Amino acid sequence: AQSVTQLGSHVSVSEGALVLLRCNYSSSVPPYLFWYVQYPNQGLQLLLKYTSAATLVKGINGFEAEFKKSETSFHLTKPSAHMSDAAEYFCAVTRGAAGNKLTFGGGTRVLVKP
Amino acid sequence: KAGVTQTPRYLIKTRGQQVTLSCSPISGHRSVSWYQQTPGQGLQFLFEYFSETQRNKGNFPGRFSGRQFSNSRSEMNVSTLELGDSALYLCASSLGGTSGSHNEQFFGPGTRLTVL
Repeated sequence: AQSVTQLGSHVSVSEGALVLLRCNYSSSVPPYLFWYVQYPNQGLQLLLKYTSAATLVKGINGFEAEFKKSETSFHLTKPSAHMSDAAEYFCAVTRGAAGNKLTFGGGTRVLVKP
Repeated sequence: KAGVTQTPRYLIKTRGQQVTLSCSPISGHRSVSWYQQTPGQGLQFLFEYFSETQRNKGNFPGRFSGRQFSNSRSEMNVSTLELGDSALYLCASSLGGTSGSHNEQFFGPGTRLTVL
């Protein structure tokens, strides 16, 4: 069975500071990993995905994530936070061969302080 | 290309009633998945349909059902509603493959269901 753990349900950062959101996964087979963002009253928007190519993945809005197999991690970072980054972020995993069932982490809500 | 659309966006029902939610995927996408989002349980997978067949199913009671039509549009039905069914129901579509870019899921805005 797969599982995803996001450390920290809430993160507060100052505008211009580094954003670091942590995600650890467990999967019995090589996974496909995703980061999604959800703004209030909206659906999920894909930020980036890891599909076994490059371990450092660049996404939209200046976000990137690094896949570390030895640590079973896929942490999301952004060098400089912007007020528009205030949202909830979800890490998700799928095994691919099992169809498109996404298993999500609990989410991390990001607050950006001016 | 139009995104994933879900109707209705908001719905209020009472306990014991049933409800049907609709999802229209992105043109060309053959897979539709449904997820339930609640503050307590987070995002949970309900089921996935691909080419009119249920390909995956989550751990939800039989009151939750779905179907997919030949044009890939999907509906989910919840019978005998309970208070705990109040949630945001999200639909996601993808090309339907299981690797590479084919499993990338695009989400709709959701249907907010309130059960009174």
